[in-house]
Amino acid sequence: GESVGLHLPTLSVQEGDNSIINCAYSNSASDYFIWYKQESGKGPQFIIDIRSNMDKRQGQRVTVLLNKTVKHLSLQIAATQPGDSAVYFCAGSNDYKLSFGAGTTVTVRA
Amino acid sequence: DTAVSQTPKYLVTQMGNDKSIKCEQNLGHDTMYWYKQDSKKFLKIMFSYNNKELIINETVPNRFSPKSPDKAHLNLHINSLELGDSAVYFCASSPQPGQGYGYTFGSGTRLTVV
Repeated sequence: GESVGLHLPTLSVQEGDNSIINCAYSNSASDYFIWYKQESGKGPQFIIDIRSNMDKRQGQRVTVLLNKTVKHLSLQIAATQPGDSAVYFCAGSNDYKLSFGAGTTVTVRA
Repeated sequence: DTAVSQTPKYLVTQMGNDKSIKCEQNLGHDTMYWYKQDSKKFLKIMFSYNNKELIINETVPNRFSPKSPDKAHLNLHINSLELGDSAVYFCASSPQPGQGYGYTFGSGTRLTVV
């Protein structure tokens, strides 16, 4: 199976600064990774994904980096906004299921 | 239109009771899931159904029984509720098993057992 974990449970960021959220995974057979955002009272929502044959993928204000050598991925959020305050999860796909990390709570300071 | 809808949103019940949570998706997905999120926000898969067939059962107590009458519905019935069952339960769906892209979650059912 897959074990996915996050490095820090909480992250406090000044509005306008960049945020970096880290995640480690254990199963080198995982070939697909996703970042989700969960706002209070809602279900997780897809942010960005990356396949194991890539090391970087960019979206709107977000970038995911994958380092397969050390089994690490990160989510970078540029110019963090108050609406980015949420819990962020990384997930790895293996054996027909997604395994989620514990989540990092991001708080944006005005 | 809500893509994945769960009912009820909140459920408060006493220990020992039996309760059900319903889930419906209108995305035409083949696969549906139930996840449990504990107080520390950890999301753990419980069950997965593909075209009404059970494909994942993650060592969940047999007090939990999923039922999929058709591929658009996956309900969760819980017998003899215990305090430790208190959590937020999320239903999700995806086009195919394990596909992260297109994975869509419902808004959750907060179950409180007293």
